[in-house]
Amino acid sequence: EAAVTQSPRNKVTVTGGNVTLSCRQTNSHNYMYWYRQDTGHGLRLIHYSYGAGNLQIGDVPDGYKATRTTQEDFFLLLELASPSQTSLYFCASSELRQGLTEVFFGKGTRLTVV
Amino acid sequence: SQWGEENLQALSIQEGEDVTMNCSYKTYTTVVQWYRQKSGKGPAQLILIRSNEREKRSGRLRATLDTSSQSSSLSITGTLATDTAVYFCAATSSGQKLVFGQGTILKVYL
Repeated sequence: EAAVTQSPRNKVTVTGGNVTLSCRQTNSHNYMYWYRQDTGHGLRLIHYSYGAGNLQIGDVPDGYKATRTTQEDFFLLLELASPSQTSLYFCASSELRQGLTEVFFGKGTRLTVV
Repeated sequence: SQWGEENLQALSIQEGEDVTMNCSYKTYTTVVQWYRQKSGKGPAQLILIRSNEREKRSGRLRATLDTSSQSSSLSITGTLATDTAVYFCAATSSGQKLVFGQGTILKVYL
């Protein structure tokens, strides 16, 4: 089974701080995604990518940058963190075959901005 | 939003009962997936149904897809307490953008 590893698992930062969330998948999947999960909103797509160097805008991109440095690594950057970005963040990867076949999620990163 | 106007729903049922969860979507999609998320974990895929399939079964799970009404359902028969979780549907739109619905909180009590 594909593995998706997120780090850190928990992070506390101050308002205006700089945060990078990391995600690595080990099965050379094409697609990788960053979501945030908040009570009452389900999973909302921030950014996604279909390969190294590619970036696609999701539904809630404001305040977030992302970079796909390799097939395996996808980073989410918060350059001026705000309390509204306090959330649970999930990274996911998937393999493309006539549409998405299966999506694997990491265990999540809980970010608190104080 | 690519989804209908739906709030996070909550269902509470007794073990052994059957349950059906629904979702509707706005955008064109060729694939609908259903996920389960248990407390403290990431979502895990349960079942995937394509636009050329009206129904898909996997064990106690049954998913349906109606492309004409842009809706999908997930049924669980003979629920167990271990089915307690949040259930999401997700649709793939253009460019392989995978978008999730609001979810249904299911609690199965003994």
